[in-house]
Amino acid sequence: GNSVTQMEGPVTLSEEAFLTINCTYTATGYPSLFWYVQYPGEGLQLLLKATKADDKGSNKGFEATYRKETTSFHLEKGSVQVSDSAVYFCALRQAGGGNKLTFGTGTQLKVEL
Amino acid sequence: GAVVSQHPSWVICKSGTSVKIECRSLDFQATTMFWYRQFPKQSLMLMATSNEGSKATYEQGVEKDKFLINHASLTLSTLTVTSAHPEDSSFYICSARGGGVSTDTQYFGPGTRLTVL
Repeated sequence: GNSVTQMEGPVTLSEEAFLTINCTYTATGYPSLFWYVQYPGEGLQLLLKATKADDKGSNKGFEATYRKETTSFHLEKGSVQVSDSAVYFCALRQAGGGNKLTFGTGTQLKVEL
Repeated sequence: GAVVSQHPSWVICKSGTSVKIECRSLDFQATTMFWYRQFPKQSLMLMATSNEGSKATYEQGVEKDKFLINHASLTLSTLTVTSAHPEDSSFYICSARGGGVSTDTQYFGPGTRLTVL
């Protein structure tokens, strides 16, 4: 079956540091890949997505590239801010699988001054 | 736009009682709603998918008689945990998807923390 593996957190960074949160997946065919972010006390929000190999999703300074050869979708940001502190979830949607999402366990990011 | 609310945000109940959790789409019509469950340090697990006006589709291993889902309107879905037991304690999250061919994004509620004593 489908699965998503994320690096365990929490990840603690200083403001303006470079961020990478690793995500790898197992799925048949060509799934769509997503990053969701959950700020404290709020629901998950779609951060970015990519629907085919080599696509790069980007939003709010975050980027992730769909790498079919390594089955990865790592999240990166060049310079994090305190306001980026949240839990980040990697997810996939199987091609032709309707709207069913398979999530990773989430990675908590803490950004300090 | 595209806000989903859940009520209550947390609930504590005694073993054997039933608990109802509401999920509302505040500014759009949700043709499909999803219910997830999340255990500490684990991923969100899809429990069921419900389409307005029809019976919910449950994922394998989810007891439909224990987790009753009703999606009676385009803005409201409810999850009722019947005869709750301590092992049902968890974080329950709903999401909603609007109608239309181009609307395939799920919008998530903030979750409901259920503790069964």
